[in-house]
Amino acid sequence: DAGVIQSPRHEVTEMGQEVTLRCKPISGHDYLFWYRQTMMRGLELLIYFNNNVPIDDSGMPEDRFSAKMPNASFSTLKIQPSEPRDSAVYFCASSPEGGNSNQPQHFGDGTRLSIL
Amino acid sequence: SQQGEEDPQALSIQEGENATMNCSYKTSINNLQWYRQNSGRGLVHLILIRSNEREKHSGRLRVTLDTSKKSSSLLITASRAADTASYFCATDLSGGYNKLIFGAGTRLAVHP
Repeated sequence: DAGVIQSPRHEVTEMGQEVTLRCKPISGHDYLFWYRQTMMRGLELLIYFNNNVPIDDSGMPEDRFSAKMPNASFSTLKIQPSEPRDSAVYFCASSPEGGNSNQPQHFGDGTRLSIL
Repeated sequence: SQQGEEDPQALSIQEGENATMNCSYKTSINNLQWYRQNSGRGLVHLILIRSNEREKHSGRLRVTLDTSKKSSSLLITASRAADTASYFCATDLSGGYNKLIFGAGTRLAVHP
């Protein structure tokens, strides 16, 4: 089975530009998560969706960040305008429904974003 | 501060030795999970232990959980060079449905 697919794998752009990161979760998974990983702050949860509905976006750093999940097989994380401090590896993960218990999360290989 | 904190931050051992990593957390949990991350890759789930379990095994992995001390340990026996990676514990907040908090990780280097 295909895992979580993220694109692009690498993105280098100049500050002020719009950046769009894409994610295809594992088919049948009800939860989708966006994380950011940096050396300084580790792995941070930005936002997560359940059945395409955003449940918790308290980790989104500021209004420049937005995420959408128009259908069960696709999600985007957008940064507009981008800033150098947004440079990080962004991961998407998905997990199945688990009742009232967390299930293991399946991660994509991430998008390494560099803002110059 | 983070819910889960791993110790040590880095560990360097020889092939064949055992590696032990520890994780401490602050609040009540439903379960605790361990993940591995190879360089340049995403995290891979290793094992999940529920709050009512004390020990769990999976191949060369052994995980313990002590809820009274709010701590867990991951033991990798007979380590191999391919075990070189970062290892993270992740906890959910009791009642915090499907939201995991990851620790800073332990970087393990296994030398041939």
